[in-house]
Amino acid sequence: SQKIEQNSEALNIQEGKTATLTCNYTNYSPAYLQWYRQDPGRGPVFLLLIRENEKEKRKERLKVTFDTTLKQSLFHITASQPADSATYLCALTGGGNKLTFGTGTQLKVEL
Amino acid sequence: DAGITQSPRHKVTETGTPVTLRCHQTENHRYMYWYRQDPGHGLRLIHYSYGVKDTDKGEVSDGYSVSRSKTEDFLLTLESATSSQTSVYFCAISDAGSENEQFFGPGTRLTVL
Repeated sequence: SQKIEQNSEALNIQEGKTATLTCNYTNYSPAYLQWYRQDPGRGPVFLLLIRENEKEKRKERLKVTFDTTLKQSLFHITASQPADSATYLCALTGGGNKLTFGTGTQLKVEL
Repeated sequence: DAGITQSPRHKVTETGTPVTLRCHQTENHRYMYWYRQDPGHGLRLIHYSYGVKDTDKGEVSDGYSVSRSKTEDFLLTLESATSSQTSVYFCAISDAGSENEQFFGPGTRLTVL
């Protein structure tokens, strides 16, 4: 069956360090992979989209990689700040005009 | 923020009663989606629309129906609410399906007693 896995345990890191979040998937051949940020009590907010023929995408302090052989995407936040604390969701296209979301990983950036 | 609102924002209802949630957008986006979010399950797609009167089922559509009579409005109806439908419901819009980002509404917290 199709599955998207994100680490359910919270990731705690110190301010200024690089946070790395993982999204693994099975039985998908996604054309696109997206990352969203969600704060408590709010809807998800889009961050980055990467296509299957792109290995890496950057936006300010964010970097996403997409390895279709490993079936994995890594999401990096460099020089992390307490304001980066949130839950981060990856989402895949499973076909058609739909996205399937992972359960998310909570990131806590400590002073 | 994308012009997307949901109403009501909170609702408490009793088992067996009908419930309708409304999503309204001012962006003229073609695609609209309804998700539910539950602890341990993440966001799951209930139904989506790819145009006026054009809808399709998502992963967890049983017990839900939708309607879209205008571009700007997408309604989610629980014909007979059950306690298992207690959840936070999010509406999202997109201009070009899965190849574009989705913009989410603020959510509706529904409690079925």
